[in-house]
Amino acid sequence: DAGITQSPRHKVTETGTPVTLRCHQTENHRYMYWYRQDPGHGLRLIHYSYGVKDTDKGEVSDGYSVSRSKTEDFLLTLESATSSQTSVYFCAISLTSTGELFFGEGSRLTVL
Amino acid sequence: AQSVTQLDSHVSVSEGTPVLLRCNYSSSYSPSLFWYVQHPNKGLQLLLKYTSAATLVKGINGFEAEFKKSETSFHLTKPSAHMSDAAEYFCVVSDPGDNYGQNFVFGPGTRLSVLP
Repeated sequence: DAGITQSPRHKVTETGTPVTLRCHQTENHRYMYWYRQDPGHGLRLIHYSYGVKDTDKGEVSDGYSVSRSKTEDFLLTLESATSSQTSVYFCAISLTSTGELFFGEGSRLTVL
Repeated sequence: AQSVTQLDSHVSVSEGTPVLLRCNYSSSYSPSLFWYVQHPNKGLQLLLKYTSAATLVKGINGFEAEFKKSETSFHLTKPSAHMSDAAEYFCVVSDPGDNYGQNFVFGPGTRLSVLP
């Protein structure tokens, strides 16, 4: 299994509160990604990183920010959570920009 | 722009019978293609990948897929389904494009049910 750890795995929070999800890898892969998975939508890219402090937006980035201060950690922050951000969030890593993705186990977020 | 179509949202087979999950793609480049499997409440696991070598790709757990450029297809097959194959399957395409990493496009998924 790829060395990817997501935390927390489950979180319930209230509308308007900040939330940070963490992705930690031990593979030293350059590329890291945050996806959300929702019924009927498959996986959608939120943000991705192609190196330390190098990040860019995906197709559903509104309401989310990310940071990558070191190779192994990629943080996803919801500054003010909304009910529409209730979802399962997956972190993924890849060695190259077109090579296979390796996924974490997911973080289930419920915003009440 | 890339896109992926998985023609069936749900496929149901009996244990021991063949599995066929269909995937068509569009890409402006010579793409890499992947199949992933997701069991309930789990992350996605790579089944197999095509990266312009052999057109028939063998993966884990007896799955294989054939890349057909003329048909822009990458269908996933298995000769004999097992109960443990019941899961969601995703076809994914990636190509170099112009971006550093925003290159992966996921199909909507096909849910495979295996009946005893």
